[in-house]
Amino acid sequence: AQSVTQLDSQVPVFEEAPVELRCNYSSSVSVYLFWYVQYPNQGLQLLLKYLSGSTLVESINGFEAEFNKSQTSFHLRKPSVHISDTAEYFCAVSGGAGGTSYGKLTFGQGTILTVHP
Amino acid sequence: NAGVMQNPRHLVRRRGQEARLRCSPMKGHSHVYWYRQLPEEGLKFMVYLQKENIIDESGMPKERFSAEFPKEGPSILRIQQVVRGDSAAYFCASSPPTSYEQYFGPGTRLTVT
Repeated sequence: AQSVTQLDSQVPVFEEAPVELRCNYSSSVSVYLFWYVQYPNQGLQLLLKYLSGSTLVESINGFEAEFNKSQTSFHLRKPSVHISDTAEYFCAVSGGAGGTSYGKLTFGQGTILTVHP
Repeated sequence: NAGVMQNPRHLVRRRGQEARLRCSPMKGHSHVYWYRQLPEEGLKFMVYLQKENIIDESGMPKERFSAEFPKEGPSILRIQQVVRGDSAAYFCASSPPTSYEQYFGPGTRLTVT
């Protein structure tokens, strides 16, 4: 079975400050990792993903995440946040090829990022 | 290319009624997933379907809930005899064959009164 833990339920920061949203997972098989963002009353948007290759992945709006297999982590970072980054962020894991969890996503509880002016 | 479509966006039902939620995947996507987001909880997987097949329904409640993805038309999540505990946001996601990326619809917010 897979599980995802997002260590912080809420993260308040000031505009232009750096931020890190933490995510740890557990799985007995290789995994694929994702970060999704959800704005109020909207669906989830894929922010970035790790499938294979470079352990550092980046999004087009300045977020990055690093897959750390030894620590089973996939923390999300941004060096300078904007007011518009205020949203809820979900870390998710999917089973790798051949795994029994292929297909479905297992989500963490979510982290609400609030950026203050 | 239109995104994943879900309708209705908001649905109000009285206890004991039936709720039907529809999901049209993105063009070219043959895999559909349903997730439920309860208040104060994260998203929970419910069911994974391909055209005319249920691949994984391990997250579906044993009673009152069913899902289908027919050869033609949208995927349907059906909840019979709704109860207040069914009030939640229901999200549909789709993916193309052999892809791990899922694209989500805007959700249907079900309120049971």
